[in-house]
Amino acid sequence: DAGVIQSPRHEVTEMGQEVTLRCKPISGHNSLFWYRQTMMRGLELLIYFNNNVPIDDSGMPEDRFSAKMPNASFSTLKIQPSEPRDSAVYFCASSLKGRGLAVRWNTGELFFGEGSRLTVL
Amino acid sequence: AQKITQTQPGMFVQEKEAVTLDCTYDTSDQSYGLFWYKQPSSGEMIFLIYQGSYDEQNATEGRYSLNFQKARKSANLVISASQLGDSAMYFCAMREGRTGNQFYFGTGTSLTVIP
Repeated sequence: DAGVIQSPRHEVTEMGQEVTLRCKPISGHNSLFWYRQTMMRGLELLIYFNNNVPIDDSGMPEDRFSAKMPNASFSTLKIQPSEPRDSAVYFCASSLKGRGLAVRWNTGELFFGEGSRLTVL
Repeated sequence: AQKITQTQPGMFVQEKEAVTLDCTYDTSDQSYGLFWYKQPSSGEMIFLIYQGSYDEQNATEGRYSLNFQKARKSANLVISASQLGDSAMYFCAMREGRTGNQFYFGTGTSLTVIP
């Protein structure tokens, strides 16, 4: 089975340019997460979707960042305009959401893509 | 308050020895899951082991075991017979039952295995 697929793997762009990162989650998974990882701030959750609906975008740094999930098999994270401080590795991850309090759920671990390394000059 | 706390920024272990990576968590939920991930220098995030809050026995996966102490809210990862390939960052994470979705990650522990 294919894992979480992210593209591009590497992106180098100039400040002010638009950047679009793409993610294809594992088929059948109903939750999708976007994380950003930097040396200074570690792993930060940007946004997550459940059944294609954004649930929590409080981690999105500012209005320059936007994320969409038009269907169960595709999501994008867009940065416009990009800035040097946006340089980071962006991970997409998917999982199968657990059932909740009363019922013991499946493990529901996150499956990560290989990441998109973004460098903004 | 931090949901996941990893107090060891860096650890060293001799090859073939065992090592324990600490993790404490904070939740008021009765139902939750605890996870450990490994991130080698190549950058990918690799799922290692899972412990459910209702599990009475500590989880084990090969050389990895999770020392789950519910009352103390700790979920330490034990790696036995360390290998050079175990050198990596290790992240502890929690998924709460109340939301069923939000994952919280710790800041990670960098493990170096010395030959």
